[in-house]
Amino acid sequence: AQKVTQAQTEISVVEKEDVTLDCVYETRDTTYYLFWYKQPPSGELVFLIRRNSFDEQNEISGRYSWNFQKSTSSFNFTITASQVVDSAVYFCALSRYNQGGKLIFGQGTELSVKP
Amino acid sequence: DTAVSQTPKYLVTQMGNDKSIKCEQNLGHDTMYWYKQDSKKFLKIMFSYNNKELIINETVPNRFSPKSPDKAHLNLHINSLELGDSAVYFCASSQDRDYEQYFGPGTRLTVT
Repeated sequence: AQKVTQAQTEISVVEKEDVTLDCVYETRDTTYYLFWYKQPPSGELVFLIRRNSFDEQNEISGRYSWNFQKSTSSFNFTITASQVVDSAVYFCALSRYNQGGKLIFGQGTELSVKP
Repeated sequence: DTAVSQTPKYLVTQMGNDKSIKCEQNLGHDTMYWYKQDSKKFLKIMFSYNNKELIINETVPNRFSPKSPDKAHLNLHINSLELGDSAVYFCASSQDRDYEQYFGPGTRLTVT
């Protein structure tokens, strides 16, 4: 069965701290995709990144970076020098290849960045 | 300019009523989805359509019926609303299956 676990329910940091959000997934498939989404207090879901299972290269986008490690089935997300605007719920998700695009979401991690 | 739009944004109704939520995307995508987010923020897929064909139908009560009149629209009709249907419903679209999905703003449904 496929599953995504975000063990950190809530994280609170002070502005400018670095913070890492953990994501562990389970699948027996060899081809799959991993995603991160952000849900700010306004409620919309914002796409951040998509990774396929054959691309383990780390990715950096501004203050955001992602570490994909198949050996530990993890796809962690780090925010460097956090800002108040980063306060949101962050979701990690998994989809199986050629299965209609169904996203299997983790429970979400609520990040609170205090000034 | 909105990529994926939903109407209405808020829907308050009584048990037993029938209601619809509309979704439109102007991204030229082939695949559209409905997700439900419960009060604990857990997100679960309900339906997926690819080129107007139903490809995913999760274990959703028959009271929920999606309709896709064309590739740009995916509506959700709910019959005989129940208290447990209260949630936020998100529409999403993607270029094709397996690609990143772009979500609409959500429709907060409250059943009283």
